[in-house]
Amino acid sequence: DAKTTQPPSMDCAEGRAANLPCNHSTISGNEYVYWYRQIHSQGPQYIIHGLKNNETNEMASLIITEDRKSSTLILPHATLRDTAVYYCIARNSGGYQKVTFGTGTKLQVIP
Amino acid sequence: NAGVTQTPKFQVLKTGQSMTLQCAQDMNHEYMSWYRQDPGMGLRLIHYSVGAGITDQGEVPNGYNVSRSTTEDFPLRLLSAAPSQTSVYFCASSYASNRVRTEAFFGQGTRLTVV
Repeated sequence: DAKTTQPPSMDCAEGRAANLPCNHSTISGNEYVYWYRQIHSQGPQYIIHGLKNNETNEMASLIITEDRKSSTLILPHATLRDTAVYYCIARNSGGYQKVTFGTGTKLQVIP
Repeated sequence: NAGVTQTPKFQVLKTGQSMTLQCAQDMNHEYMSWYRQDPGMGLRLIHYSVGAGITDQGEVPNGYNVSRSTTEDFPLRLLSAAPSQTSVYFCASSYASNRVRTEAFFGQGTRLTVV
């Protein structure tokens, strides 16, 4: 799996969009970008994933650059409940999905 | 649909004791994994399994054993507990990579203290 780099922490005002960046400059062609979050020591929760096209679901949007070396997770209207650690992971599409987590970005949503 | 169930939720052990952390999933997932998370740290992979009868080591396997006799269950055994194994343990499962949905589902964790 490619190494990913995320800022250790970010703040966002409640109601504003939270844009969380992730660098994955060594990503290979068959590696997907996955995002998870962990709220207050609960089990991590899947958010969204993509290969090269931008993706949107009910939780968030994922923007992947054309060269696929970086991506941004967007929470369009952050709430206090979005305060969590967000993990960006690059995973191979073939073989076992041995998911390796880094230390993620601690997002603090401020009232 | 219960998802991934871990038991117990909390456990205190004395140094040298052994115990088994249980993990069960009801989604017929092929892949299952165990992670540990120390305070302020990310998750580190202990052991994983690609199917019944097949297991392999992750980043931090020492002091832990696993087996996978059924698709549903993936227990983690601490052979002789040490204070360094004080941590929160998470179990995860997912479908194989040739399916549409391959995201991992996590249990709620087992908080283990070794004194």
